[in-house]
Amino acid sequence: AQSVSQHNHHVILSEAASLELGCNYSYGGTVNLFWYVQYPGQHLQLLLKYFSGDPLVKGIKGFEAEFIKSKFSFNLRKPSVQWSDTAEYFCAVINSGNTPLVFGKGTRLSVIA
Amino acid sequence: DGGITQSPKYLFRKEGQNVTLSCEQNLNHDAMYWYRQDPGQGLRLIYYSQIVNDFQKGDIAEGYSVSREKKESFPLTVTSAQKNPTAFYLCASSKNVRSQGTDTQYFGPGTRLTVL
Repeated sequence: AQSVSQHNHHVILSEAASLELGCNYSYGGTVNLFWYVQYPGQHLQLLLKYFSGDPLVKGIKGFEAEFIKSKFSFNLRKPSVQWSDTAEYFCAVINSGNTPLVFGKGTRLSVIA
Repeated sequence: DGGITQSPKYLFRKEGQNVTLSCEQNLNHDAMYWYRQDPGQGLRLIYYSQIVNDFQKGDIAEGYSVSREKKESFPLTVTSAQKNPTAFYLCASSKNVRSQGTDTQYFGPGTRLTVL
């Protein structure tokens, strides 16, 4: 069964610091990859997704992620975080078959002033 | 987000009682899902449904049951057999499971269930 690993459980950054959240998956076939974000008190929402083409994907609010197939990774990045980026971030993977998304355990990001 | 409602937001039940969580969507999506979210555990799939009158078990289906009598509705029952039912429950939908690699999965606001 495929699995998703998010290496950091809780990340604390100062405003304007750069962010990189790790995500690795175990499935070896064709995959589609997602990052979801859950802001405090809000719905889980899609941040960005990768299906094919350019492995560097741009999302909302200045986030981007890079798909590195050889490393089975899809790390999330942002050059300069803001206090409003405080949230929980989930990486998710689906293979090309008829199966639902598999989520990682999430990374809680706290941005301090 | 949007288009998926879950009620109530908070729910308290006594141990041993069954409880049903509501999920309704007006997005005309074929596929619906139930997840359980626990701190440090991420989202774990309980059940999903690709079409009316059909549903499949997810990774942690034991102690739960669902029905899909209408396209818009996918209620989840937490039975007394579920050993640790206190959690945050999220409902989601997408156009269909087969295309969910290209379709966004939309989430509801969640229901926090506390069993006393």
